[in-house]
Amino acid sequence: DVKVTQSSRYLVKRTGEKVFLECVQDMDHENMFWYRQDPGLGLRLIYFSYDVKMKEKGDIPEGYSVSREKKERFSLILESASTNQTSMYLCASSSTGLAKNIQYFGAGTRLSVL
Amino acid sequence: KNEVEQSPQNLTAQEGEFITINCSYSVGISALHWLQQHPGGGIVSLFMLSSGKKKHGRLIATINIQEKHSSLHITASHPRDSAVYICAVRETTDSWGKFQFGAGTQVVVTP
Repeated sequence: DVKVTQSSRYLVKRTGEKVFLECVQDMDHENMFWYRQDPGLGLRLIYFSYDVKMKEKGDIPEGYSVSREKKERFSLILESASTNQTSMYLCASSSTGLAKNIQYFGAGTRLSVL
Repeated sequence: KNEVEQSPQNLTAQEGEFITINCSYSVGISALHWLQQHPGGGIVSLFMLSSGKKKHGRLIATINIQEKHSSLHITASHPRDSAVYICAVRETTDSWGKFQFGAGTQVVVTP
C-alpha cells in the first residue's frame, strides 16, 4: 500500500513564526503536491514538485515556499505565519505516465495560527 | 469561478435512502475522480472515470463527457457513508497530473 505520511496532525503556531510541514511518501513517486483545504473552497494547490529540487507554483503560492531535497520528502514552509493561513494542509503524491492520474493523500495537518 | 461545481453542498439522508451527488465541469478533461474524505482528514480515491459508468459495492459513478457532468450514487445508504465526497478532474492540457477540485459535498446519513 502507498503511504503518504504528514509529520503532524495538529499544529498551533503564533503569528510571525516560521512553520515547517513535512510530507514523506514511500512509493518512489516523482510528483508531490501541497494543498490547503478550506470550507466551501475545496482543495487548492499551493505548490507541486515533479522531481528532486524542482518545484512549480500552484494556484495560491503567496506566503508559502517548498523544498524537495530528496525524492521521498516534500516540505511546505510558511516563512512568517499569518492568521489567514489557518487551514487544513494536505500532501499528495503520484507517479508519472498513466499512473499520474491517481494521487495518494496524507491524513492532513490542521494548522491554527493564533 | 471554480471550474468544477458540485451539488448539493450538504446532504442529510436516512439510512437506506438513495443518495445522488452531482458534479459539473467546464473544461476538457482526461479523467474525473470521485474522492471520499472521512472526519479526521484522510482522502481516498473511490473511482476514476473517463467514460461510462463504474460500480463498486453500493457506489455507482457515471459520467457524460458531452454534457460535462458526472454523478455519484450511493444505494442503500448507511451511517458509515457519512463523509465529504469530492469531485476532481484532470484537464486534457495538464502534463503534471494536477487536479481541479470541487468544493465537496458533506453527506450525513442518520440511523
